[in-house]
Amino acid sequence: SQTIHQWPATLVQPVGSPLSLECTVEGTSNPNLYWYRQAAGRGLQLLFYSVGIGQISSEVPQNLSASRPQDRQFILSSKKLLLSDSGFYLCAWSRGANEKLFFGSGTQLSVL
Amino acid sequence: AQSVTQLGSHVSVSEGALVLLRCNYSSSVPPYLFWYVQYPNQGLQLLLKYTSAATLVKGINDFEAEFKKSETSFHLTKPSAHMSDAAEYFCAVSDRESGGYQKVTFGTGTKLQVIP
Repeated sequence: SQTIHQWPATLVQPVGSPLSLECTVEGTSNPNLYWYRQAAGRGLQLLFYSVGIGQISSEVPQNLSASRPQDRQFILSSKKLLLSDSGFYLCAWSRGANEKLFFGSGTQLSVL
Repeated sequence: AQSVTQLGSHVSVSEGALVLLRCNYSSSVPPYLFWYVQYPNQGLQLLLKYTSAATLVKGINDFEAEFKKSETSFHLTKPSAHMSDAAEYFCAVSDRESGGYQKVTFGTGTKLQVIP
């Protein structure tokens, strides 16, 4: 069966510090991978998606970047965090277009 | 462009009462429609998915949703609320012509409170 792992579960970082959130998927190959951010009362905002190794597309301009060094690994990064980067970050995968999304358990990021 | 509107950011029902969570969508092509549930501090889980095979879609935990093209709606219902249904529910729409990736647009969510 397929599983998705996302860590850490919670993170408190000072403004200006770097960020690295990691997501891995097991039990499937060549998944579509996604990073979402969830802000209170605003639903989920798609940040990045990837259809293959090294292929990253950004949905919104921002302080964050993403990388996919391996088929089932998706990393969300920042060189310098801003206060506005605080939020709940969710990694997800799907088998293909218009297939259901499988979500990780999320990372609550607080930038102070 | 596709979009989703969830009416009511908070809904309260009594235990055993009917649950109705509203969702209206807009899409330029026949859409895929989803309902996801999120329990506190967790990721989202799929409740059900509409793919045009049938307008009434049954999901997990006795939830169901009906696709009404004329009303561009996909409301979520459950005949009898349980305390364990307290969570946040998200409606989502996916464009069938998204190509190699799935652009899913989520609603802003509805928090369901179940009163004992």
